[in-house]
Amino acid sequence: EADIYQTPRYLVIGTGKKITLECSQTMGHDKMYWYQQDPGMELHLIHYSYGVNSTEKGDLSSESTVSRIRTEHFPLTLESARPSHTSQYLCASSAVGHRLTDTQYFGPGTRLTVL
Amino acid sequence: SQKIEQNSEALNIQEGKTATLTCNYTNYSPAYLQWYRQDPGRGPVFLLLIRENEKEKRKERLKVTFDTTLKQSLFHITASQPADSATYLCALASGGSYIPTFGRGTSLIVHP
Repeated sequence: EADIYQTPRYLVIGTGKKITLECSQTMGHDKMYWYQQDPGMELHLIHYSYGVNSTEKGDLSSESTVSRIRTEHFPLTLESARPSHTSQYLCASSAVGHRLTDTQYFGPGTRLTVL
Repeated sequence: SQKIEQNSEALNIQEGKTATLTCNYTNYSPAYLQWYRQDPGRGPVFLLLIRENEKEKRKERLKVTFDTTLKQSLFHITASQPADSATYLCALASGGSYIPTFGRGTSLIVHP
């Protein structure tokens, strides 16, 4: 079982609210990621970080933002939630392995519903 | 465009049989390929990694093959058990960022 945690596990909020999804890992991994996944669909990378003070946008256009002030913490913020943001959000971390392989450890996810 | 294809239809098999799942890809030159298991409502869990210059990898009841000419990976679970029922995702990573891109996954259902 990986030591990566996400809170809350479930969140139901109204349109226009600002929300922050929390992700923490205790493995000392430099790389962290946020994915969005709808039921039966692919994971889409929305943000990633190579380390403290590093953040990059992923393949999927997102209205969210992230920050990486501490190695273990990688929160994701939605300034104004909309029904189109309803989805499962998965956080992951990895340590760059031998010959640059990237094996990811995932948290349990946050199921977000925006009404 | 780059594409990863996994069978969208669930694979139903009897306990004790070998399950074989397929991952095909186009417009990739993968440095390595991974397989993950995902249970409903949970994050994926890493199972196996195979590099571009490797043909086969084994781990307990799991076996992965990688054919870069056919652009295909096969994932086998021998002596399958109902506890193996889950969705299995393949993920490819190319040179550069080496961040894996995930397929949609195939659902495996093992019947007792």
